[in-house]
Amino acid sequence: AQTVTQSQPEMSVQEAETVTLSCTYDTSESDYYLFWYKQPPSRQMILVIRQEAYKQQNATENRFSVNFQKAAKSFSLKISDSQLGDAAMYFCAYRRKKAGGTSYGKLTFGQGTILTVHP
Amino acid sequence: EPEVTQTPSHQVTQMGQEVILRCVPISNHLYFYWYRQILGQKVEFLVSFYNNEISEKSEIFDDQFSVERPDGSNFTLKIRSTKLEDSAMYFCASSEISSNYGYTFGSGTRLTVV
Repeated sequence: AQTVTQSQPEMSVQEAETVTLSCTYDTSESDYYLFWYKQPPSRQMILVIRQEAYKQQNATENRFSVNFQKAAKSFSLKISDSQLGDAAMYFCAYRRKKAGGTSYGKLTFGQGTILTVHP
Repeated sequence: EPEVTQTPSHQVTQMGQEVILRCVPISNHLYFYWYRQILGQKVEFLVSFYNNEISEKSEIFDDQFSVERPDGSNFTLKIRSTKLEDSAMYFCASSEISSNYGYTFGSGTRLTVV
């Protein structure tokens, strides 16, 4: 079974600084998807960024980027120029890629990292 | 932007009572999911639903739970006889069959069993 581990229960960063959230996972699959979700106090789950395992290039979405190390099964999230609105719980998640390349299927989440942004 | 809508946002129920949590997935999505999050803990998969049947379920999803798509737009989660430990945030999500962009989650229903 796949597992996802986030070893940092809490992180903090000063506004405008950079922070990196860690995630490791365990799988025997060779092709899969990895995601970072943000959960603000409103509790809604918001997709931040995704990575397909077969792609070598690290995904980037504006101030958010990942460092995907497939051999090490590591998937960290870097937030640059942190803003007060980035304060939230961040979840790393894994999903197996099904036969035929379709992407439905359950997400396996890590335990989450609470990010605090100080003004 | 299309949304997944969940109602109610908060439900309080007596232990042993039945509850139905409701979700309206995005209209062109074909896969539907329920997840739960006990306060302060990680998000756990409950069940996925496709083509009017359960496609996958977790160990949590026991005989007390059921899902239904009664009318082609709503997707419901029923808990037959609630226990205190069912208190959690329940999230509905939906996805397209070929979407590579993860799911769209609803804003959740907070269930409190007293």
